[in-house]
Amino acid sequence: ETGVTQTPRHLVMGMTNKKSLKCEQHLGHNAMYWYKQSAKKPLELMFVYNFKEQTENNSVPSRFSPECPNSSHLFLHLHTLQPEDSALYLCASGSGSPYGYTFGSGTRLTVV
Amino acid sequence: EDQVTQSPEALRLQEGESSSLNCSYTVSGLRGLFWYRQDPGKGPEFLFTLYSAGEEKEKERLKATLTKKESFLHITAPKPEDSATYLCAVQGGNTPLVFGKGTRLSVIA
Repeated sequence: ETGVTQTPRHLVMGMTNKKSLKCEQHLGHNAMYWYKQSAKKPLELMFVYNFKEQTENNSVPSRFSPECPNSSHLFLHLHTLQPEDSALYLCASGSGSPYGYTFGSGTRLTVV
Repeated sequence: EDQVTQSPEALRLQEGESSSLNCSYTVSGLRGLFWYRQDPGKGPEFLFTLYSAGEEKEKERLKATLTKKESFLHITAPKPEDSATYLCAVQGGNTPLVFGKGTRLSVIA
């Protein structure tokens, strides 16, 4: 167990569906992150939350909508996605420690 | 803009054949350089943090080194269980980590 839990592990959705990804951490970290990982590309930062406040939105399309109700939980709401949005979505938490970020196992998303 | 370039993209080694992975970076005010290991279907797992040129860290068969422009991850006498993708990331100032594309390592018995 990494300390960061993501659900679901796999998700297949149609382009007109609405779904949500969930991330939970109990490490006491104050920052949480969403990253997108596609084949042959580096991890792409999507959103950053510090103490529940969004501090960075890396030009992400509005079909991705984050929510951070408290410092332990982070959601990514998805609607009207495109096939090119298929990827591994990784959640991470951090506190400025020397260990960088702690990552969850990711949600493998397939848009059909 | 912070940037990280990793090479090679993929590396295939025989068991016991030592080698090195490269991470070249540009960053404003290096706060830390991080190495992660990622297994298929899993999230990245922390290996090392390096802070200043000349620093070295070791863990089992892995040793990470840092200069002002690049970092190396040396793998000594690798085993098949070392097969994974190795990611390098940098952090400058208070900005989030910026990652490279990774090196996919395969160690053949």
